[in-house]
Amino acid sequence: SAVISQKPSRDICQRGTSLTIQCQVDSQVTMMFWYRQQPGQSLTLIATANQGSEATYESGFVIDKFPISRPNLTFSTLTVSNMSPEDSSIYLCSVLDRDTSYGYTFGSGTRLTVV
Amino acid sequence: QQPVQSPQAVILREGEDAVINCSSSKALYSVHWYRQKHGEAPVFLMILLKGGEQKGHDKISASFNEKKQQSSLYLTASQLSYSGTYFCGTEAIQGAQKLVFGQGTRLTINP
Repeated sequence: SAVISQKPSRDICQRGTSLTIQCQVDSQVTMMFWYRQQPGQSLTLIATANQGSEATYESGFVIDKFPISRPNLTFSTLTVSNMSPEDSSIYLCSVLDRDTSYGYTFGSGTRLTVV
Repeated sequence: QQPVQSPQAVILREGEDAVINCSSSKALYSVHWYRQKHGEAPVFLMILLKGGEQKGHDKISASFNEKKQQSSLYLTASQLSYSGTYFCGTEAIQGAQKLVFGQGTRLTINP
């Protein structure tokens, strides 16, 4: 199955600052997905990142707050901008994995705490 | 719309069986099942497609009732390693590649 390297694994940030999360996949993929998982909660899709086009954001998420880059078919970044304590969550990237019969493989996640 | 999972939590002894259900109010194309251990990423277990198929590997299997828009995950003779939170993820449109996850079912297996 696909291997995703996500970093940083965790960070503690001051409110008002920004954090960029990186995901590197060991194979080329058309779409990459960014999820948020608040403590003890389910996964919520933030946006879908396509190479060569703007990301598609889900309801409740906006580009100014969560800008995404997708410079090539193996890499993507998610920035959490102007952070507040409400942004404290685990952020995960994911890809559709043909090697697992089209299940999704997730990165190890970034645990973000905003103070 | 988020699928509804039941139960929210289950506590079992090793060797016992468990069933986790996932229901949607929308017509579904596929249902995914994932297991997430504490502090780790979700891990894909299986996918069931429209057509009512049943899948399984080892002692974990699942079914998808297309008419009822329900899926069930069956864990037989549970092992300690089965502990974790199980999520179903539903996809309403073929090729949309947009999963909506249920709220999760926490499974605890005690020796």
